[in-house]
Amino acid sequence: QLQLQESGPGLVKPSETLSLTCSVSGGSISSSRHYWGWIRQPPGKGLEWIGSFQYGGSTYYNPSLKSRVTISADTSKMQLSLRLTSVTAADTAVYYCASDISSRWFFYWGQGTLVTVSS
Amino acid sequence: ETVLTQSPGTLSLSPGERATLSCWASQSISSSSLAWYQQKPGQAPRLLIYAASNRAAGIPDRISGSGSGTDFTLTISRLEPEDFAVYYCQQYGSSPLLLTFGPGTKVEIK
Repeated sequence: QLQLQESGPGLVKPSETLSLTCSVSGGSISSSRHYWGWIRQPPGKGLEWIGSFQYGGSTYYNPSLKSRVTISADTSKMQLSLRLTSVTAADTAVYYCASDISSRWFFYWGQGTLVTVSS
Repeated sequence: ETVLTQSPGTLSLSPGERATLSCWASQSISSSSLAWYQQKPGQAPRLLIYAASNRAAGIPDRISGSGSGTDFTLTISRLEPEDFAVYYCQQYGSSPLLLTFGPGTKVEIK
């Protein structure tokens, strides 16, 4: 059973870079069968797809965030990473990592981690 | 970009009643591109339905999905206490990959 666990700073200052990791267990992040993604949810609001990554394949980003986002993987650590630059208060959200063998939806989800952007 | 609209925004029902949730796409989409999720407070979303009508692993058969083109429906035949939650539809677009979510429908206890 694939398990995902997000981690990272809970507080980031405006204009700085948000960096999160997602630790993967029960499966291999280097498996080309899986798609790995990041989704976020501002407090009290809906879900927003940030991007998806397939090892050995392509990385896809939400056009609204593309200029600021990088998703990558560290296979030695079995971790998926998210980097979001030049953050503002609008980037305050619970950030989830997720996975599936399909690129179209996500069956496996982490518990999410709240990131607040504030000085 | 395809925009998803969900209605109603809130559905107030009693346990045992039938819930019908709608999701409309701004343009016709493939049925294989539509999914539904359930989210409870403080929890991650849970995949319920994929490809419009296929139940994900572990989802009870009282939950079903249907629809095609621009109109999709999630039906819960008899609401159980654990079904009161927020439900999101989500669609997949290709070339390039783009996933978008609807705004959600909250199913609350009447």
